[in-house]
Amino acid sequence: EPEVTQTPSHQVTQMGQEVILRCVPISNHLYFYWYRQILGQKVEFLVSFYNNEISEKSEIFDDQFSVERPDGSNFTLKIRSTKLEDSAMYFCASSRGTGNNEQFFGPGTRLTVL
Amino acid sequence: AQSVTQLGSHVSVSEGALVLLRCNYSSSVPPYLFWYVQYPNQGLQLLLKYTSAATLVKGINGFEAEFKKSETSFHLTKPSAHMSDAAEYFCAVRGTGTASKLTFGTGTRLQVTL
Repeated sequence: EPEVTQTPSHQVTQMGQEVILRCVPISNHLYFYWYRQILGQKVEFLVSFYNNEISEKSEIFDDQFSVERPDGSNFTLKIRSTKLEDSAMYFCASSRGTGNNEQFFGPGTRLTVL
Repeated sequence: AQSVTQLGSHVSVSEGALVLLRCNYSSSVPPYLFWYVQYPNQGLQLLLKYTSAATLVKGINGFEAEFKKSETSFHLTKPSAHMSDAAEYFCAVRGTGTASKLTFGTGTRLQVTL
C-alpha cells in the first residue's frame, strides 16, 4: 500500500541553523501539506501546496519557512534559522483531492533545536 | 472559520467497556469531518470520515461515529474497548479552500485499564 515517507525521523540542530525536512508524498496525489505538533499539544497546520505553489499558510509559517517540490517527487520544508520554539514533530501529508478525500500522513520528523 | 472542539482531554475506560469520545464542530457549511488516531511515537492514521452518504459512519478497528447536525456533533464510539485502543484520538474538520487544510481538535487521550 502506498504511503507517505519522511526523512530524517529525528533531527537535532543548533539554534540559528538551517534545516530541511524531506517528504515523499504518495505518487498520484496532488495536494501536499505540512503540519506540526509541539509536544503534548494539538496538530497545527503550517502550509498547503498545490499546482507548484502555496495555496494557504498559517500565521506560524513566517519568512523563516519555505516549501519546495524540487523534482516532482520530493516535498521539502526548510526552516532558515531555527529557534528553540521550532522544536516539534513535523508531519507531511498528501491527498488526491479536497473535500472528504483523506489526507495521508507520514510518520513525522522530530526536530529538536538546542 | 471552521473548528472542532473535543470535550475531555483524557478518557479512561475498562477493557470491554464502551468508548465514547466527544467532538463538536462549528461550520457554516456542511462539514467534512474526520477522526484520526495517533499511537505513541507514530503518525496519524485515519479511523473514519463523514461523507454525507450516511450519518452513521463505520471505521477501522470497530470504531464508528454518528453525524448529528442538530447537535453539531460527530462523537466517536466503540462498543467494547481493547487494550490496543489506548492512543490519542483527534477529531478534525476540513476546510473548503483550494487545498482545504485540516483543523484538528485538541485531542483525547484514551486509557484502557484491565
